[in-house]
Amino acid sequence: EAGVAQSPRYKIIEKRQSVAFWCNPISGHATLYWYQQILGQGPKLLIQFQNNGVVDDSQLPKDRFSAERLKGVDSTLKIQPAKLEDSAVYLCASSLDSNTVSDTEAFFGQGTRLTVV
Amino acid sequence: RKEVEQDPGPFNVPEGATVAFNCTYSNSASQSFFWYRQDCRKEPKLLMSVYSSGNEDGRFTAQLNRASQYISLLIRDSKLSDSATYLCVVSNQAGTALIFGKGTTLSVSS
Repeated sequence: EAGVAQSPRYKIIEKRQSVAFWCNPISGHATLYWYQQILGQGPKLLIQFQNNGVVDDSQLPKDRFSAERLKGVDSTLKIQPAKLEDSAVYLCASSLDSNTVSDTEAFFGQGTRLTVV
Repeated sequence: RKEVEQDPGPFNVPEGATVAFNCTYSNSASQSFFWYRQDCRKEPKLLMSVYSSGNEDGRFTAQLNRASQYISLLIRDSKLSDSATYLCVVSNQAGTALIFGKGTTLSVSS
């Protein structure tokens, strides 16, 4: 079974530039998450989608971050403009259906390592 | 109080040792509990779910104490390959995202 695919794997940009990350979840998974993981910390939720609807984006810095999941499959996360403190690994994860406790297990992609200089 | 708290370690143990990690969570309504493992520069992967009755998977034992809002992971007979960061994870209710602790780093040496 194919896992969660993310691209690019690495990205280096200058502050104030924009960047976009792409995620393709496991086929059939209704729930998709974007997490930010800063070095030495656990993953922090940015946004959660259930199909193509947003369930939770309370921790998404909406002045600079945006995400969409058109057609309820692939998703993109954008940062515009980037700040130095945005340097982190951006992890996409999917689960079968977060509304069912037994289907909550999240499968992660390899992540995109972003460096803002 | 943070939603999920863990002792960051690092825990440095010799091969064959038994090591225990603890985790506390703040929301008494939390419903699902997990331990994830994350190797250096890799993505987190599910190690095991944690059930109220406690559960065991080979050398790994997970316990949940709802009254104390406390989760533990015990690793017996540590192997070099157990070296990783162990993340305590809680889901507050069906439909909500997984909340991760900072992780506890384990280093097993020969």
